[in-house]
Amino acid sequence: DSGVTQTPKHLITATGQRVTLRCSPRSGDLSVYWYQQSLDQGLQFLIHYYNGEERAKGNILERFSAQQFPDLHSELNLSSLELGDSALYFCASSAGLAGVPGSYEQYFGPGTRLTVT
Amino acid sequence: QKEVEQDPGPLSVPEGAIVSLNCTYSNSAFQYFMWYRQYSRKGPELLMYTYSSGNKEDGRFTAQVDKSSKYISLFIRDSQPSDSATYLCAMSAWKGTYKYIFGTGTRLKVLA
Repeated sequence: DSGVTQTPKHLITATGQRVTLRCSPRSGDLSVYWYQQSLDQGLQFLIHYYNGEERAKGNILERFSAQQFPDLHSELNLSSLELGDSALYFCASSAGLAGVPGSYEQYFGPGTRLTVT
Repeated sequence: QKEVEQDPGPLSVPEGAIVSLNCTYSNSAFQYFMWYRQYSRKGPELLMYTYSSGNKEDGRFTAQVDKSSKYISLFIRDSQPSDSATYLCAMSAWKGTYKYIFGTGTRLKVLA
């Protein structure tokens, strides 16, 4: 158990809908990362928050947004869902900024499996 | 060209074999190199990380980095069926620009 929790585990929704995925980082971790993993794309970095501030954006669509709250939990909002958004969405946390000594280890949650029908 | 390239496999080996998993990269700014293991339908878990060129050993696992060739490897000795998983390399850079990039993963199957 990594200490990172994600809810819900599974989500089935229709095209055009909006969903919110939730992540609670490990106790004390300030950084939260969101990833999308699909069969043909591998693990794609979406966005990184550090202590409530957005620090880096990856291949995140404009239909997607995220935020990190004062209690450090994070939410990923996916709107106007398309069939191609079906994937596993992982949240990871680390103690600080990735790449800074002591902060390169990311701990992943169990993921949310999103199915768009 | 992708910044990180990893052979997707699948790679099937008999139990007890030595496994070699590799990644190449193009961005010389990468400074930290990680290997993650991902079991089916689970989140990736960190196996090893290295900072500089050279070897790092942890039990049956050895991580090797060759910055001059932009090439990293993970060796698994005495492979076990429980090692069957997808192995992802990852690299990070933080000087000037922030990056944390994963390879696409290599599926490994160790046959009993």
